[in-house]
Formats: sequence, structure tokens, C-alpha cells
Amino acid sequence: RKEVEQDPGPFNVPEGATVAFNCTYSNSASQSFFWYRQDCRKEPKLLMSVYSSGNEDGRFTAQLNRASQYISLLIRDSKLSDSATYLCVVNAGGSYIPTFGRGTSLIVHP
Amino acid sequence: DAGITQSPRHKVTETGTPVTLRCHQTENHRYMYWYRQDPGHGLRLIHYSYGVKDTDKGEVSDGYSVSRSKTEDFLLTLESATSSQTSVYFCAISESSSGRDYGYTFGSGTRLTVV
Repeated sequence: RKEVEQDPGPFNVPEGATVAFNCTYSNSASQSFFWYRQDCRKEPKLLMSVYSSGNEDGRFTAQLNRASQYISLLIRDSKLSDSATYLCVVNAGGSYIPTFGRGTSLIVHP
Repeated sequence: DAGITQSPRHKVTETGTPVTLRCHQTENHRYMYWYRQDPGHGLRLIHYSYGVKDTDKGEVSDGYSVSRSKTEDFLLTLESATSSQTSVYFCAISESSSGRDYGYTFGSGTRLTVV
């Protein structure tokens, strides 16, 4: 079983739709969680950290479910500009070596 | 944005030649990483550093070496380039303090083609 797993997609959604991605992780000692966004032929960029209590940033909401060992990203009111690959990143407590998922591709169409 | 630059941005080299990629940061972050990214594989860790002259291997380190003689510079060397090393290479930096992880900042990448 891979340490961090994501559905590669692509998720094809119309503008204005709500879409959600999940990312499962296998190491129960994981402490730090992030969502990154990567545009085609560009570097990954931090979208948001994921806190135990969940957090929201505008149209984006991230949740952590420790019992089931997954994190989620919800995007509301999708924009064309949201089209990208979304990577989840997990880090075990005390480790400075992150584990990256392979990413979920999102395509938002008019 | 954090100050991290990679050079060169693009390079074409011949099989068997040595190649060095440079990662430079102005953030004084302790941790630096080299990744390669290939279709179907995602980001794979090549080498990382946790301080000056402190480096260790990642999951795909064969054929690569690194050096970190200063906090701000992390060099990746392909000793004798092979076509399988054609890839996009990303450098990343990170700073963790008091057990808190602030995430990772990536450079713009180097596209390396070995012919």
C-alpha cells in the first residue's frame, strides 16, 4: 500500500460546481498535512495547511480525519483558473521528509 | 514568495557528461531537498540536506550526488548523465521549529534533457 494515495482523476467539472478530493495516508504517526497546487509545467505551490480542526480559505476547505486517516479538499464555486493538479503532502511527527501523493487532476470547463 | 532559485532553467546534455544543478535560497532555511518529477511517478526524493555538510539519500539517489557547503546553496550532480535522468528537477526548502512544520517551498524547476 502506498504511503499517500490520491485518485489521479481527472475530475471534469463545470464552472460553479463543488468538487472534493480525498487523500489517504498509511502512517498513523503523521502530524503535518498540506494541500499543494501544481499547474502544468510549473512548480508545486502551497495551497493550504490542514489543521485538526479543519480550516477554510475562501472557496477552499480542508479537513483532517485522523480516525480514517485521510485529508480532504473541498472547492466551492469552481473557476476555470482552478484547473490544476492538487497534491497532498503528509509528514510524520519528528520527520522532515515529506511524503507526496501523486496528485489529483482537476479540469474546470465552461 | 520565499527566495529560492534554480539554475539553469533548461539544459540539454549528452549521455556520459557530468551535470550540476544549483539551488540557491535566501531564506536561511535549514532543510533543502532535490526531487525529480516524471509522468506517472509524481515527485520522488533524490537527496536532502538538514544542514551544512549534512546530507542523506532519498528514494532515487543512484547516479546522483549532492553537496551543501553553505546554508544557501545545495548542488545536485549527475556524475555521468543517462537518458533515464531526463526529467524535471525541483529543489525545495523548509523550516521547522518547535515541532511545527511550515511546509515546503519549491524552486521553478530545471528541465534536463539527456540525449
